[in-house]
Amino acid sequence: AQSVSQHNHHVILSEAASLELGCNYSYGGTVNLFWYVQYPGQHLQLLLKYFSGDPLVKGIKGFEAEFIKSKFSFNLRKPSVQWSDTAEYFCAVKRSSNTGKLIFGQGTTLQVKP
Amino acid sequence: DAGVTQSPTHLIKTRGQQVTLRCSPKSGHDTVSWYQQALGQGPQFIFQYYEEEERQRGNFPDRFSGHQFPNYSSELNVNALLLGDSALYLCASSWRRYTSGNTIYFGEGSWLTVV
Repeated sequence: AQSVSQHNHHVILSEAASLELGCNYSYGGTVNLFWYVQYPGQHLQLLLKYFSGDPLVKGIKGFEAEFIKSKFSFNLRKPSVQWSDTAEYFCAVKRSSNTGKLIFGQGTTLQVKP
Repeated sequence: DAGVTQSPTHLIKTRGQQVTLRCSPKSGHDTVSWYQQALGQGPQFIFQYYEEEERQRGNFPDRFSGHQFPNYSSELNVNALLLGDSALYLCASSWRRYTSGNTIYFGEGSWLTVV
C-alpha cells in the first residue's frame, strides 16, 4: 500500500531562515506528487506539484521542491521564510493513473518567529 | 477561493445520529472525492464519485456512504455517529479525463463534532 512519511512534525524557525521539509513515499510505479499548505482557519491550498519532466519544481510564494526518484523523496524548500509562512504543510502522492485518491503525510507544523 | 464549496461549515451531532454533508465541485470538474481529517493528522481518503457511482473507497466502514448527482455535486452521509467521527470533512474535485496531469482542489471543509 502507498504511504507518505513526513519526518518533521513541528518545525520552528526565525524569519529569514532557510526551510527544508522532508517527504518520502512508498510506491514503485509512476506517481504525481504534491505539497499543500493549510493556513490557520483556511482550506488546503496547492503549493506546487510534480507530474513529469524537470524534477525541480517551483511553486507559489517562493517555494520549490525536488523530486529524487531513486530516494522516493519530494522535499520542500524555501530559501528565506516569512512570518506569514506559519502553517501546516502536507505532502501528498497519487498514482499517475488515478484521478482523485491522494495519500497524505501526517503534516508538518511550521512556526516562524518574527 | 478554491471553487469547491461545502456545507455546512460547522455542525454538532450526538452519538448515534446521522449526518449529511454537501459539496459542489469546481466548475468544469466531474469527479468528487471525500476526505476525513482528524485533528493533527493528514487527510484520509474516504471515497470517490464519478458518473454518479462510487469508484474507489478507502478504509472506512459502511456507515460512510455517499451520492453524486447529475450536476456532479455530492453528499457524504455518516450513520450511527461515533465520537471518533469528529473531524474536518474535506471535499475535493478534479477532472477525470486527465488522470496524470490534473490538479485536485479542496473545499474549506465541514467541521463535525460528535458529542
